[in-house]
Amino acid sequence: DQQVKQNSPSLSVQEGRISILNCDYTNSMFDYFLWYKKYPAEGPTFLISISSIKDKNEDGRFTVFLNKSAKHLSLHIVPSQPGDSAVYFCAASDGGATNKLIFGTGTLLAVQP
Amino acid sequence: SAVISQKPSRDICQRGTSLTIQCQVDSQVTMMFWYRQQPGQSLTLIATANQGSEATYESGFVIDKFPISRPNLTFSTLTVSNMSPEDSSIYLCSVARQGTEAFFGQGTRLTVV
Repeated sequence: DQQVKQNSPSLSVQEGRISILNCDYTNSMFDYFLWYKKYPAEGPTFLISISSIKDKNEDGRFTVFLNKSAKHLSLHIVPSQPGDSAVYFCAASDGGATNKLIFGTGTLLAVQP
Repeated sequence: SAVISQKPSRDICQRGTSLTIQCQVDSQVTMMFWYRQQPGQSLTLIATANQGSEATYESGFVIDKFPISRPNLTFSTLTVSNMSPEDSSIYLCSVARQGTEAFFGQGTRLTVV
């Protein structure tokens, strides 16, 4: 049972345009959501997070939106840059002391120059 | 943040043998996690390793197959025992402090032949 889903395995955008990566979850107990970026042969790098008490969090070119009623979150990257090309994982936690993360399957973003 | 070093970065092993992966953190952390990423799949939590207690394993993972040590607050090992080709994966160490996002090592790419 996949509790965190990223239905788009890949996404291609032009440099300078907006990239929108989507993530859906099924567990209503999740209260903290994160996005990680992963380059080949490297571990995931934390990008941005959002608590369930918020609906938006922004950090530079990256903004995460959370729609709790729809159990959906999205990551917006604007403007997109070729260096953003990587696999993006959505992750969720039910909080507390464990910080155990449930990951989505990832979306491969390709930003074309 | 935390700097996490994993050794080895990659290995090719014969089936039936065991491999121990080391994870060293540059500062003391309470919670350490071991994840696995099988080819084309998402990251899946194997176990949570807290210093001074037995590791907590997720469904589908057992101590006999993946014994874990956590001798202090900066170090942990994961052993992949009696390996088969199905164990070919990237194994990732992750650390988190209370209320902070998890950070990952660069991973160990294991190929079992």
